[in-house]
Amino acid sequence: QVQLVQSGAEVKKPGASVKVSCKASGYTFTGYYMHWVRQAPGQGLEWMGRINPNSGGTNYAQKFQGRVTMTRDTSISTAYMELSRLRSDDTAVYYCARVGGYSGYDLGYWGQGTLVTVSS
Amino acid sequence: EIVLTQSPGTLSLSPGERATLSCRASQSVSSSYLAWYQQKPGQAPRLLIYGASSRATGIPDRFSGSGSGTDFTLTISRLEPEDFAVYYCQQYEAPGFTFGPGTKVDIK
Repeated sequence: QVQLVQSGAEVKKPGASVKVSCKASGYTFTGYYMHWVRQAPGQGLEWMGRINPNSGGTNYAQKFQGRVTMTRDTSISTAYMELSRLRSDDTAVYYCARVGGYSGYDLGYWGQGTLVTVSS
Repeated sequence: EIVLTQSPGTLSLSPGERATLSCRASQSVSSSYLAWYQQKPGQAPRLLIYGASSRATGIPDRFSGSGSGTDFTLTISRLEPEDFAVYYCQQYEAPGFTFGPGTKVDIK
């Protein structure tokens, strides 16, 4: 069965960077894009970007261009999302997610989420 | 960029009642690109409906999706206690996704 297991909660100071990992299992890691979605406390869902684990190619939402970097390590089936120059409004739960194998235009598999708190 | 609007913001209903949730897009969306999710507190979103009207694996048939163009609907025919949650619509616009602001279904 498909599983996405994320790294644990982080507390960072403003201006710092955070790197969240997402370990995939139960499928061929290089066969599906990995997406990252975040959710601020009490707010909705916001797509941040995606990485092609096969090629390493990335697409980022315009809002995060220049601050986000998505990478992967195919040897351990793990994707990473690094966000730099953190601000207090980056406090959120960060999810990795994969398309569900249905239409290809939905996110059928999600990690458990990683809470990143930005506070001085 | 296509913007999704959901209404109502909150829907207060009793178990056994019918819930009708609306998702409106600022431009026409292919039905293939429209999905619905359920999210409960402290949990990741769960895919309910893909392609506007197809249920994901394991989703009860009390959940149904319909619509086309700019207007889409999620219907829960008879609310069960576990259905009280927040529901998001989502559309795909290459290369990524945008989500509506959500509708909270709470117990009246």
